[in-house]
Amino acid sequence: KAGVTQTPRYLIKTRGQQVTLSCSPISGHRSVSWYQQTPGQGLQFLFEYFSETQRNKGNFPGRFSGRQFSNSRSEMNVSTLELGDSALYLCASSFSAGDGETQYFGPGTRLLVL
Amino acid sequence: QKEVEQDPGPLSVPEGAIVSLNCTYSNSAFQYFMWYRQYSRKGPELLMYTYSSGNKEDGRFTAQVDKSSKYISLFIRDSQPSDSATYLCAMSRQTGANSLFFGTGTRLTVIP
Repeated sequence: KAGVTQTPRYLIKTRGQQVTLSCSPISGHRSVSWYQQTPGQGLQFLFEYFSETQRNKGNFPGRFSGRQFSNSRSEMNVSTLELGDSALYLCASSFSAGDGETQYFGPGTRLLVL
Repeated sequence: QKEVEQDPGPLSVPEGAIVSLNCTYSNSAFQYFMWYRQYSRKGPELLMYTYSSGNKEDGRFTAQVDKSSKYISLFIRDSQPSDSATYLCAMSRQTGANSLFFGTGTRLTVIP
């Protein structure tokens, strides 16, 4: 079974630009969560989508948004990029949205903001 | 104060040593506890998953959860150079929301 895929793998943007990252979950998985990983803060939860609905949101500004499509694929968007948005953005999928569901991570998209 | 605290290391041990990795947490609502392994430039890979207090063993890996002390541990026996990675503890609440709270990770190097 194919794992979680994320595109693009690497991205360089400049301050003020916007970026869209894509995640394809494992086949049959309906929940997709997004995380930001930085050396200083570690992995931080951004948001979770299940059946095209955002079910939970972490403590990030409104510049960070996402959506999920009917095929469970998800995108996240960051508008008005700041230098501090440079990070590894990880997507994780699970079969359902309940706590305790095993989440499987993709390889991440490494974003560098100049 | 972060909800999950983890010593970032780095930790270097000789091959064959027993490794102990630990996390503490402050939120008593956490019910599910996980350990992930992350190799450089890869996404985290689930190693161990436990529910509530107790021990769980899987091969060379043993996970322990002590909810009374809000303390979890991962032990690696007979460590191998291939175990060199960053180990992340993670936990979640029993609220039906699928979000994980992570420690910052401990970088482990096993020296041949």
